[in-house]
Amino acid sequence: DGGITQSPKYLFRKEGQNVTLSCEQNLNHDAMYWYRQDPGQGLRLIYYSQIVNDFQKGDIAEGYSVSREKKESFPLTVTSAQKNPTAFYLCASNDGGSGANVLTFGAGSRLTVL
Amino acid sequence: GESVGLHLPTLSVQEGDNSIINCAYSNSASDYFIWYKQESGKGPQFIIDIRSNMDKRQGQRVTVLLNKTVKHLSLQIAATQPGDSAVYFCAERGSNYQLIWGAGTKLIIKP
Repeated sequence: DGGITQSPKYLFRKEGQNVTLSCEQNLNHDAMYWYRQDPGQGLRLIYYSQIVNDFQKGDIAEGYSVSREKKESFPLTVTSAQKNPTAFYLCASNDGGSGANVLTFGAGSRLTVL
Repeated sequence: GESVGLHLPTLSVQEGDNSIINCAYSNSASDYFIWYKQESGKGPQFIIDIRSNMDKRQGQRVTVLLNKTVKHLSLQIAATQPGDSAVYFCAERGSNYQLIWGAGTKLIIKP
């Protein structure tokens, strides 16, 4: 079945450590996205990539980094510069472009900073 | 700036009744709107979308209504079932073609 796989599902981090969240899709989608979700709030866009080897900052990119070396993969690194990293992180994908808007989401990764 | 908001954070509905979830948006130029359902601990799932050249769109047990005059969007779920319990998000397409999300409404189904 086609879909998006995020790992790990749960992750604990000590302050000052970088962590990388994995996102893999087999939907052959061009565009991939990372969102952050906090309790009682809507999704906020961190980074997105419309094509391999290219990505753009979203609304809350500070303290995060990404790479898009392969079409299928879009890992997110939460760096020590992110002051409040505890959150639920969602990866999504779609066909990209101005006309394609329906996103397919992964199951999410919950990061907790100890 | 652009923003999407919801009138009620929690909606409690009797099983079998119809549910109506409301959403307000601020950008009158938005041309596309979408509803997602998120169950606890999972990623959001697409429910239905609507373009601004339409007032109404129906799916299976769901209807989305768009009132551009008052910048209001609603999701109607017919004959609500226990499996409909979730948080429902509306989103609008912003000026950079990315989605702007509301805070969500939690739908609780009473037996």
